[in-house]
Amino acid sequence: GEQVEQRPPHLSVREGDSAVITCTYTDPNSYYFFWYKQEPGASLQLLMKVFSSTEINEGQGFTVLLNKKDKRLSLNLTAAHPGDSAAYFCAVPLSGGSNAKLTFGKGTKLSVKS
Amino acid sequence: EAAVTQSPRNKVAVTGGKVTLSCNQTNNHNNMYWYRQDTGHGLRLIHYSYGAGSTEKGDIPDGYKASRPSQENFSLILELATPSQTSVYFCASGVTGGDYEQYFGPGTRLTVL
Repeated sequence: GEQVEQRPPHLSVREGDSAVITCTYTDPNSYYFFWYKQEPGASLQLLMKVFSSTEINEGQGFTVLLNKKDKRLSLNLTAAHPGDSAAYFCAVPLSGGSNAKLTFGKGTKLSVKS
Repeated sequence: EAAVTQSPRNKVAVTGGKVTLSCNQTNNHNNMYWYRQDTGHGLRLIHYSYGAGSTEKGDIPDGYKASRPSQENFSLILELATPSQTSVYFCASGVTGGDYEQYFGPGTRLTVL
């Protein structure tokens, strides 16, 4: 199976609604996690960086929850607005070592309708 | 501010032609990466480098070569371009060790006709 699985691939919500994007990963030794945001036609920008010692992280209107037991990472948006429309990617360093590569989920395209 | 730049930003090539995509970073990072992004596949790693003179194969290296002549520069080379290599290519840089965060360039849109 995939080393990083991201769901759902597409998500459409109304302004003010909540949205949840989930990634599951296989390497139990992963201890840093990333969420990147990509606006249409643009590059990837770091949205949040999560260290495994902290199970809840908040920033920029998002909350990231980390469940190490289930190897699941979720990005939660409590009140979406049109400016949040973008593609979101989780990234997990797999294989360990000081030069571990990031493995990316396939992305979730979030559409927020006003 | 630290930056990763790519050139060209857009490129149209013919099948069988040679294409070179260039990346420059001012982050003074040891590690550099080349990805391609296709709908339904997310980002896939083509080649990466740990420093000047080093190149390593990523997950999908077939049909691509890489060159790292200096700390700042990392090139991706398509010796014989094919239409299946039509994609958006991103370069990134990152530190050795640390938290593995990568910093991305603006991307190059390559079309092979």
